[in-house]
Amino acid sequence: KAGVTQTPRYLIKTRGQQVTLSCSPISGHRSVSWYQQTPGQGLQFLFEYFSETQRNKGNFPGRFSGRQFSNSRSEMNVSTLELGDSALYLCASSLDSNSPLHFGNGTRLTVT
Amino acid sequence: GNSVTQMEGPVTLSEEAFLTINCTYTATGYPSLFWYVQYPGEGLQLLLKATKADDKGSNKGFEATYRKETTSFHLEKGSVQVSDSAVYFCALSDGTSGTYKYIFGTGTRLKVLA
Repeated sequence: KAGVTQTPRYLIKTRGQQVTLSCSPISGHRSVSWYQQTPGQGLQFLFEYFSETQRNKGNFPGRFSGRQFSNSRSEMNVSTLELGDSALYLCASSLDSNSPLHFGNGTRLTVT
Repeated sequence: GNSVTQMEGPVTLSEEAFLTINCTYTATGYPSLFWYVQYPGEGLQLLLKATKADDKGSNKGFEATYRKETTSFHLEKGSVQVSDSAVYFCALSDGTSGTYKYIFGTGTRLKVLA
């Protein structure tokens, strides 16, 4: 069974640009969550989607948005990038809301 | 609100030493508890879990017992190997609010020396 796939693996953007990250969950998993990981803040929850609906949202500004498609694939978008957005962005899928999370290897975003 | 507190790292041990990484939690309901491990350049992997009080999760020689009376879920391994070097995250999942939310600790880096 294929794991969670995140693309691209690395991204370099400049301030003010926008970026879209993609996540393909494990087949059959309907819940997809996104996390931001930085050395200083650890793992911060961004949002969770279940059957194309955003079910939970973390404390991030509106520049961070996401969506989920009917095949459960998910994208997250960050607009007007800031230097502080540099981080590892992790996607995780799960069978349902109280099942263990399965993480992808992440997208490393560097904003210059 | 819910929270997870785990011991600061890094933890440096010699091969075959005993490992304990402390984790305590605060939750309003009856959460499920997890340990995840992150190897360099990778995402997090589920190491073990426990869903109710007194449950013991175990995997690859690691163990943790859900202690409701002390609100703890400490990770232990009797004899660590160099390959266990990684960052370990304690986490809880609580559905009291109607939807399940994961809360992660800050992670503890373990370095095992040969």
